[in-house]
Amino acid sequence: DAKTTQPPSMDCAEGRAANLPCNHSTISGNEYVYWYRQIHSQGPQYIIHGLKNNETNEMASLIITEDRKSSTLILPHATLRDTAVYYCIVRVVGAGSYQLTFGKGTKLSVIP
Amino acid sequence: DTAVSQTPKYLVTQMGNDKSIKCEQNLGHDTMYWYKQDSKKFLKIMFSYNNKELIINETVPNRFSPKSPDKAHLNLHINSLELGDSAVYFCASSQERRAIMGYTFGSGTRLTVV
Repeated sequence: DAKTTQPPSMDCAEGRAANLPCNHSTISGNEYVYWYRQIHSQGPQYIIHGLKNNETNEMASLIITEDRKSSTLILPHATLRDTAVYYCIVRVVGAGSYQLTFGKGTKLSVIP
Repeated sequence: DTAVSQTPKYLVTQMGNDKSIKCEQNLGHDTMYWYKQDSKKFLKIMFSYNNKELIINETVPNRFSPKSPDKAHLNLHINSLELGDSAVYFCASSQERRAIMGYTFGSGTRLTVV
């Protein structure tokens, strides 16, 4: 699976949009971009994933650049409960890789 | 209904003891995992089971022995516990053939070896 690079930490004011960047310049054509988050002391939680197109669900939006070498997770109206470590992961799906490899992630602090 | 449930949530034990952590998923997934998160908060995969068959066994000491009696259960038995085994252990599951929707994690078991 391709490697990802994320800033170690970010701050965001409550109610504002949080934009979390991720670099995956070595991504290959059949690799998806996944985002998970881990709120303190809880298990990681799936947020969203995408291959080429931008995606949106009830939690967040995922913007993937046209060359697919980077992406941005957007939390449109951050709340204090969004304070967590956010992980960007790139992996092949359904090819028997049978694992999800976590990096260090970005620690997002939402400030009142 | 909890999708992936682990028991116990907390486990404090002495060095040298043997302990087990249980995991059950009710999502109908075909693959289950154990992850370890140490004090530096780094999440690392330990084992992966697909349809009760061991697929991934990372460089984990053989004191750790996973057991999958059926697709819905993956237990972790640890022999001769050491101080360095203190960590949070997370169980997860996925439908690997259609893993598009990602993994579901349990809430973790905090193991403290004293």
